[in-house]
Amino acid sequence: KNQVEQSPQSLIILEGKNCTLQCNYTVSPFSNLRWYKQDTGRGPVSLTIMTFSENTKSNGRYTATLDADTKQSSLHITASQLSDSASYICVVSDFDGSQGNLIFGKGTKLSVKP
Amino acid sequence: KAGVTQTPRYLIKTRGQQVTLSCSPISGHRSVSWYQQTPGQGLQFLFEYFSETQRNKGNFPGRFSGRQFSNSRSEMNVSTLELGDSALYLCASSTLTSKDYNEQFFGPGTRLTVL
Repeated sequence: KNQVEQSPQSLIILEGKNCTLQCNYTVSPFSNLRWYKQDTGRGPVSLTIMTFSENTKSNGRYTATLDADTKQSSLHITASQLSDSASYICVVSDFDGSQGNLIFGKGTKLSVKP
Repeated sequence: KAGVTQTPRYLIKTRGQQVTLSCSPISGHRSVSWYQQTPGQGLQFLFEYFSETQRNKGNFPGRFSGRQFSNSRSEMNVSTLELGDSALYLCASSTLTSKDYNEQFFGPGTRLTVL
C-alpha cells in the first residue's frame, strides 16, 4: 500500500534555530515528491517539487533533500522565524506515465517560539 | 494573476442537509482537484476534474460529487450531510493534471461545520 509517513508529528523550536523534518514513503512507482507549508486556516503553499533525479532543492531558507534509494526526504529550515510556524506536508506522486495519485503525509506541526 | 478562490469561506449546516461549494481556479488552469482535510486524517483526495471531465476519484462515498464548467470553475456537492463531514474543504488548480510534474495552487478552503 502506498504510504507517506512524516516525523515528528509536532515540533517546538526557538526562533533562530535550525530544524529538520522527515518524510519516509513507500510509494511505487515514484514520480515526484513535494513539500507544502500550510498556515493555520489557510490552504497549503508549495515549497519544493523534486523528481527522482534531484537530490536537493532550495527555496530561500528551506532546503529539501531526496534519497530515492532509501525512499526518504527531509526538509531543513535554517534560522527559523516566527512565521515558519505552520504545518509542513510531504506529498508523493505515483504517476506511472498514464495514471497516478498524490499520496499525502499527515504533516508535521512546527511551532517557533520567541 | 488572481489566486484560487473558494466560496463560501465558512458554512454551518445540520445533519441531513446538502451543501454546494464553489472553486474558481487560476486563469488558464484547466485542472481542479478537491480535498478534505480533518485533524485526524490530514488531506484526503476527493476527485479531480480536467476540461470538464472527472479524471480521478478518491475513496469517498457517492454522497460526494462534483462537476466542472466550461470556464474551469468547479463545484462540489455533499448530500445528506453527516457529522463526520465537518472539515476544511480545499480545492487546488494546476495547468495539467495533478499526477503530472506541475505545481498545484491551493485555495484558502471552505470550513464546513455540520451540527
